[in-house]
Amino acid sequence: GDSVTQMEGPVTLSEEAFLTINCTYTATGYPSLFWYVQYPGEGLQLLLKATKADDKGSNKGFEATYRKETTSFHLEKGSVQVSDSAVYFCALSDMRFGAGTRLTVKP
Amino acid sequence: NAGVTQTPKFQVLKTGQSMTLQCAQDMNHEYMSWYRQDPGMGLRLIHYSVGAGITDQGEVPNGYNVSRSTTEDFPLRLLSAAPSQTSVYFCASTRRGAEGKSPLHFGNGTRLTVT
Repeated sequence: GDSVTQMEGPVTLSEEAFLTINCTYTATGYPSLFWYVQYPGEGLQLLLKATKADDKGSNKGFEATYRKETTSFHLEKGSVQVSDSAVYFCALSDMRFGAGTRLTVKP
Repeated sequence: NAGVTQTPKFQVLKTGQSMTLQCAQDMNHEYMSWYRQDPGMGLRLIHYSVGAGITDQGEVPNGYNVSRSTTEDFPLRLLSAAPSQTSVYFCASTRRGAEGKSPLHFGNGTRLTVT
């Protein structure tokens, strides 16, 4: 069946460091792909999405490109901030989620 | 702009007790779902509904019941709570159709502890 494999954390970075969180998927057809972010004590909220191959989703300095040839949707940010500390989830359009990656950014 | 509202935020139950977690959305979304979030396991789908009067099981439905009498409300019932149901529960909703392109809108969660 469909599944999402996400880089497990936790990930700890210094402010202004480069971030990559890996996400690969197994799915039939052409799913849409999503990244959600969960700040402490809150529910998940959409960070970005891509609906077809080679689409790039972007928001708040984060980017992810839908790579059908490698079945991947890696999340990247060039310079993280303390306020980016959160848990990040990769997800398929059938509402299947990865395990989540906790990011901590230190000043 | 309320979005998805979950109540209560926290709940402690004794083993064997029953309770209902409430979820309401004001966005006229057809699709609603319940997830549980456990450390290291991400979100797992418990039950979902594609419209009023229609519900179906997700990945981990045992021990939980749902009903969908209106578009707005989707309560989750624990009939006889067990310690294994200690978790954080999230309700979510989205538009139907659009070939899965519509993202989920989440409530802020209910933290349940069963002793």
